[in-house]
Amino acid sequence: SQQGEEDPQALSIQEGENATMNCSYKTSINNLQWYRQNSGRGLVHLILIRSNEREKHSGRLRVTLDTSKKSSSLLITASRAADTASYFCAFRRDSSYKLIFGSGTRLLVRP
Amino acid sequence: DAGVIQSPRHEVTEMGQEVTLRCKPISGHDYLFWYRQTMMRGLELLIYFNNNVPIDDSGMPEDRFSAKMPNASFSTLKIQPSEPRDSAVYFCASRLDGSYEQYFGPGTRLTVT
Repeated sequence: SQQGEEDPQALSIQEGENATMNCSYKTSINNLQWYRQNSGRGLVHLILIRSNEREKHSGRLRVTLDTSKKSSSLLITASRAADTASYFCAFRRDSSYKLIFGSGTRLLVRP
Repeated sequence: DAGVIQSPRHEVTEMGQEVTLRCKPISGHDYLFWYRQTMMRGLELLIYFNNNVPIDDSGMPEDRFSAKMPNASFSTLKIQPSEPRDSAVYFCASRLDGSYEQYFGPGTRLTVT
């Protein structure tokens, strides 16, 4: 069963706009990762943020983590049609090597 | 590197038949994971191996499912007998010890009729 929830479930925006996706979890975590999945493909790692970090940037991606609220957000700035995909948060619980994945957000970027 | 390789990419079989999914992890990676993805349940971890040894199989749904890793470059996930509710996309992923990033294969889409 999933222990990570994402919202919105689906998001449709115009090319050039920013996209924000949110992830909430229920347990204490070691770190949190974001993955992208293009239709019919495997997941691709985007970025990792550790539990002692609050914000991290990578190109057009910005990730925040609020451990007190047990939530994270992924911001994609200046979106492109190629950003169309599903985005998943994933986290490790404490010392476990298991990754728990969120339910995912389907992003559609309209040209 | 070719990345994680899975075969077959698509499998259609009848209920009751045995199904074997195959995975070749990235060379040098110490961890191998098997996941199942469905619309209803999302992405679920079935089992993972470290240095070819199964570490946690608590996600394996029932005794019909079994996984092996006879060597560092090959793993199988077997379903016997298969049932329609096993229809899903099965992913294999691998990871290097000391790194958190998992590398996923393209998946095997299984349809059991």
